Amino acid sequence: EPEVTQTPSHQVTQMGQEVILRCVPISNHLYFYWYRQILGQKVEFLVSFYNNEISEKSEIFDDQFSVERPDGSNFTLKIRSTKLEDSAMYFCASSEYGDRGGNQPQHFGDGTRLSIL
Amino acid sequence: GQSLEQPSEVTAVEGAIVQINCTYQTSGFYGLSWYQQHDGGAPTFLSYNALDGLEETGRFSSFLSRSDSYGYLLLQELQMKDSASYFCAVDSNYQLIWGAGTKLIIKP
Repeated sequence: EPEVTQTPSHQVTQMGQEVILRCVPISNHLYFYWYRQILGQKVEFLVSFYNNEISEKSEIFDDQFSVERPDGSNFTLKIRSTKLEDSAMYFCASSEYGDRGGNQPQHFGDGTRLSIL
Repeated sequence: GQSLEQPSEVTAVEGAIVQINCTYQTSGFYGLSWYQQHDGGAPTFLSYNALDGLEETGRFSSFLSRSDSYGYLLLQELQMKDSASYFCAVDSNYQLIWGAGTKLIIKP
């Protein structure tokens, strides 16, 4: 069964540095998402992406964050000037459709655990 | 504001039936999803209700009442492997808004 893959599984970075989290969505999916989950807390939506542009973003997704689809398979989340509070699990997800009411199910990758020191 | 309310923890016995409730208040609503997450794992899609009523998928069923802004997940014939956190999430304007999750503890 096709799956969403994320790399790396764990990223340790010094505060103030930039990190890039990588995701390969399921090949025939058109809609991509990034979520964040701080340890022990709920999943939080960051951004959705379609046709090389952002469809929706949350308040969390400020100028510190950016997303890109650099080629036909990868979907990346860049976090600039990382802060201690950016430490969390970051999940990438994809769905076949993204129209309102049709973006389910979303398939999640195993996540990247980001630790900021 | 936008909020989803679900119990923080539910305990049940293996083989029993358990219901996890979810109430929501969001600015946009297209449907209610349920996801399962084992400790340290990724969320896994369980079910989606766009219309009122019951959706059944094997041992799991999900219900939605849009007029009451309420839904529930029903798990039958509980197995130890069902021990996990269960999240309700509202499908709203190209994003999922998540509840805080319900930790399901199953005792033998």
